[in-house]
Amino acid sequence: DADVTQTPRNRITKTGKRIMLECSQTKGHDRMYWYRQDPGLGLRLIYYSFDVKDINKGEISDGYSVSRQAQAKFSLSLESAIPNQTALYFCATSERQSNYGYTFGSGTRLTVV
Amino acid sequence: EDQVTQSPEALRLQEGESSSLNCSYTVSGLRGLFWYRQDPGKGPEFLFTLYSAGEEKEKERLKATLTKKESFLHITAPKPEDSATYLCAVQARGDYKLSFGAGTTVTVRA
Repeated sequence: DADVTQTPRNRITKTGKRIMLECSQTKGHDRMYWYRQDPGLGLRLIYYSFDVKDINKGEISDGYSVSRQAQAKFSLSLESAIPNQTALYFCATSERQSNYGYTFGSGTRLTVV
Repeated sequence: EDQVTQSPEALRLQEGESSSLNCSYTVSGLRGLFWYRQDPGKGPEFLFTLYSAGEEKEKERLKATLTKKESFLHITAPKPEDSATYLCAVQARGDYKLSFGAGTTVTVRA
C-alpha cells in the first residue's frame, strides 16, 4: 500500500457543486499539506496542518477548506467548485525537519465543468 | 518571498546525450534545496537534498550540485526511462514549507 493515499484519483464535477478530496497516510508524520499543480505554475500551497488542532492557510486558500480528522487523515473541500479550480491536487506529508522534504500522494485530477 | 525558477521548461535529448537542468533561487537563508522527479499521473518522488554551496549528490545517471544562487541537475548518458518532469524546491531556515519551481520536462528518445 502507498504511504500517502489520495481518493478519488480522478473526478469530474459541475460548477457550484461541493466536493471533498481525501488523503490518508501511514508514514506517522505530523505535518500534512495540500498543494495544487497547474501547467507552468508549479506546485502551490493551499492549506497545511502541523497536527490535528493546528490548521493554517497557504498562499491560495480562497475557495477551499480543510479538515484534519485524525493524525493520519487530511481532507480538502471545495465548497462551490468553479472551472478555474480544475487542476491536479496533491496531498503531502513531512516530519518537522525532514531531510527528504515531503512524501507525496499520487494526486487527484479534478475537472470542474 | 522565496522564488524558484527552473530552465529550460522542456528538454528533448537523444539517448546518451548528456545535459543539465538549472534551478535558480532566492531565499532568505537556505535550509535545503530539494530535487524531485515526477512521472505523468504520479506524485513527485524525492531525489536529493542539498544544504550548502559546493555540495554534490549523485544517484545513478543524475548528479545535483549547489551554489549560493542556483542548482544544477546533470543527466549523464540519459536513457528513455529518465524521461520525467524534474522539480526543484527550496526551504528557508525556520520555515515549514517548500517553494517549488515549475519544473523541467525531460524527454529522452531512444
